[in-house]
Amino acid sequence: KQEVTQIPAALSVPEGENLVLNCSFTDSAIYNLQWFRQDPGKGLTSLLLIQSSQREQTSGRLNASLDKSSGRSTLYIAASQPGDSATYLCATESYSNYQLIWGAGTKLIIKP
Amino acid sequence: NAGVTQTPKFRVLKTGQSMTLLCAQDMNHEYMYWYRQDPGMGLKLIYYSVGAGITDKGEVPNGYNVSRSTTEDFPLRLELAAPSQTSVYFCASSYDRATYEQYFGPGTRLTVT
Repeated sequence: KQEVTQIPAALSVPEGENLVLNCSFTDSAIYNLQWFRQDPGKGLTSLLLIQSSQREQTSGRLNASLDKSSGRSTLYIAASQPGDSATYLCATESYSNYQLIWGAGTKLIIKP
Repeated sequence: NAGVTQTPKFRVLKTGQSMTLLCAQDMNHEYMYWYRQDPGMGLKLIYYSVGAGITDKGEVPNGYNVSRSTTEDFPLRLELAAPSQTSVYFCASSYDRATYEQYFGPGTRLTVT
């Protein structure tokens, strides 16, 4: 059974720093991996989707990488801003069903 | 486009009561999903649908029912609510699986006392 883990659960960094959020998963037979952002009291916004055949995806200051062999994905945020403060969740989708399996998220605080 | 809309935003139920959480999308997406999120946890899939008239169970379906009579609507029914169903419920939709992102509604915060 797939398990997705995100460490740390919370992270606080000064504005302007580059940072990396981690996501690990136990079953490498994934269809894709997605990174989402969740703001308090709001829904989730998809940030990046990496298909199993891809190694990375980029959107603006965000770069997500995928290493299926080691069961890891990272989300790199460049030049962090206070507006990046949110909870970031990763989720994997397996070949066998339509279910996204989610990590518990990393709560990110960017200090001005 | 309104995207994915959910009603109500908040609800308090007593144990044993029933209710329906509404979800609608105006993007003509075939795939729709219901998730629940407990505090400090990731999301868990309750039910999903791959098109009108087609639904299937997710990871945690017990105590819930769904229907999909139209492409736009995907209501979630709670029968005999229990305190364990206290959670935030999210509806989502996507054009297709895997290669297309899921779009989420703002959520319904449900408390069962």
